Amino acid sequence: SQQGEEDPQALSIQEGENATMNCSYKTSINNLQWYRQNSGRGLVHLILIRSNEREKHSGRLRVTLDTSKKSSSLLITASRAADTASYFCAVGTSYGKLTFGQGTILTVHP
Amino acid sequence: GAGVSQSPSNKVTEKGKDVELRCDPISGHTALYWYRQSLGQGLEFLIYFQGNSAPDKSGLPSDRFSAERTGGSVSTLTIQRTQQEDSAVYLCASSQGFGGAEKLFFGSGTQLSVL
Repeated sequence: SQQGEEDPQALSIQEGENATMNCSYKTSINNLQWYRQNSGRGLVHLILIRSNEREKHSGRLRVTLDTSKKSSSLLITASRAADTASYFCAVGTSYGKLTFGQGTILTVHP
Repeated sequence: GAGVSQSPSNKVTEKGKDVELRCDPISGHTALYWYRQSLGQGLEFLIYFQGNSAPDKSGLPSDRFSAERTGGSVSTLTIQRTQQEDSAVYLCASSQGFGGAEKLFFGSGTQLSVL
């Protein structure tokens, strides 16, 4: 399956600490995307990294992609209580399908 | 519209009844996806429409599930003879350009409860 698999399943940290989530996948990809979900409803896109890119930044977010290891990581620096949410990676293929992993539940304690 | 709109936001139905879920994508978006999310789980891919191409139906769990997209815009997901295991949040998303290469914009979902 192309589906991304996130690790860890749950992460609990204190405000101000960094949070790192990992995603592994199995086949060739066009891009890899990270999404955030609050309260089990609509997802919000965070960042997209293409297969020929190795690292991308957006504010406090840093995403890396290692296509040789078929893995990606999402780093949230200086976390805030408002970052508490579920985070999903999604694998995009060249023929259009976008499949999601099971997600990481992040809890940031004030 | 400003975003992806899904209706209804909540649907309660009895086992065996048919239901229709509607998705209004962002105007001009050519790609449209349906996903299903059970409580505490990830997103399960159901179906993907890209422009006028034949849809990718590979994720539909059974022949009770079908979807159509009229005029390249509004999409309807139909579940016939609903079962209790169909209870989940059904999420619709759209993207500009070639799906899978661009970011998705999600609706708020339809919470389906089958009693």
